[in-house]
Amino acid sequence: GNSVTQMEGPVTLSEEAFLTINCTYTATGYPSLFWYVQYPGEGLQLLLKATKADDKGSNKGFEATYRKETTSFHLEKGSVQVSDSAVYFCALLQGGSEKLVFGKGTKLTVNP
Amino acid sequence: NAGVMQNPRHLVRRRGQEARLRCSPMKGHSHVYWYRQLPEEGLKFMVYLQKENIIDESGMPKERFSAEFPKEGPSILRIQQVVRGDSAAYFCASSQDRNYGYTFGSGTRLTVV
Repeated sequence: GNSVTQMEGPVTLSEEAFLTINCTYTATGYPSLFWYVQYPGEGLQLLLKATKADDKGSNKGFEATYRKETTSFHLEKGSVQVSDSAVYFCALLQGGSEKLVFGKGTKLTVNP
Repeated sequence: NAGVMQNPRHLVRRRGQEARLRCSPMKGHSHVYWYRQLPEEGLKFMVYLQKENIIDESGMPKERFSAEFPKEGPSILRIQQVVRGDSAAYFCASSQDRNYGYTFGSGTRLTVV
């Protein structure tokens, strides 16, 4: 079946550090890929997405590239801020399905 | 546009009671999805509904759980005879069409004592 594997957290960084959160997936065909962010006590917000191979999603300084050859969608940001502290979820949506499949989430803490 | 509204935000129930969770989708959205988030876990799909129809309930436990999305009013996720293992955050999402993406509510955090 379809699955998403994220790097284990928690991740703790200093402000302005470089961020990478790894995400790999298993799916048939060509799923759409997403990163969602969950701030404390809140619901999930869509951060970025990519719908086909080699697409790059970007938003708020975050980027992720859909790599079909490595079945990956790693999240990166060049310079994190304290306000980026949250839990980040990688997810996929299989073509023809309505069900998002989520990874377990990676908690990021950014210290001043 | 108020977004996806879920209530209550927090719900405490004793073992054996019933829990009712409500979700009002975004205006114009006719697709509703329920997900459950257990502690330290990602979200797991439970059920997908359109107005008056359950489309996919493959993620719903076979007993005690039910969902509806009536012609008028919010979608309801109902858990009968709650047990401690039902304690989780329950999120609702809505969409106009899958190609437009999903909007999540802030969730209902259920605690069973």
